[in-house]
Amino acid sequence: DAGVIQSPRHEVTEMGQEVTLRCKPISGHDYLFWYRQTMMRGLELLIYFNNNVPIDDSGMPEDRFSAKMPNASFSTLKIQPSEPRDSAVYFCASSLRHSLSGNTIYFGEGSWLTVV
Amino acid sequence: AQSVSQHNHHVILSEAASLELGCNYSYGGTVNLFWYVQYPGQHLQLLLKYFSGDPLVKGIKGFEAEFIKSKFSFNLRKPSVQWSDTAEYFCAVNAVDTGRRALTFGSGTRLQVQP
Repeated sequence: DAGVIQSPRHEVTEMGQEVTLRCKPISGHDYLFWYRQTMMRGLELLIYFNNNVPIDDSGMPEDRFSAKMPNASFSTLKIQPSEPRDSAVYFCASSLRHSLSGNTIYFGEGSWLTVV
Repeated sequence: AQSVSQHNHHVILSEAASLELGCNYSYGGTVNLFWYVQYPGQHLQLLLKYFSGDPLVKGIKGFEAEFIKSKFSFNLRKPSVQWSDTAEYFCAVNAVDTGRRALTFGSGTRLQVQP
């Protein structure tokens, strides 16, 4: 069974450019999470969705960040315009509410973003 | 809001040494607790989890953790570490009765095992 799939795996972009990160959750999972990992701040929750609806976006840093989930199998995290301080690893994760394993969250391999 | 503290930021051990990594959380209600491991350059993988029942939880690769509710702790242990255990370890908590599904992570502990 495929896990959480993220693309691109690595991206280097110039300051001011738009960045779009993509995520395909595990099939059947009804929760999707976006986390950001940096050396300074560790793992931070940016936003999460339930059944494609954003539930908590309080971790989204500022208006330059936006996330969408148009359907159950796809989500995007967009940064426009990007800044060097956005350089981080962005993880997408998913979970299933009514699983016997509770709310175990499964992570994708991350998108490593560098803004120069 | 809940928070997680991992007091050991960097631990260096020799192979075959015993390991204990501390994790404390701040939430008075019902919690689910997790330990994730992140090998260099890779994503987070679940080591073990506690939802209910026996407070001593066994995970993969010989790891175990004990939930002590009175101490708000969920320390990770392994009797004998291997070089391949070199990684970063994250403790995470979910406050079940808030209805919030996301996990709150600690800052991580970097474990370096020397051969």
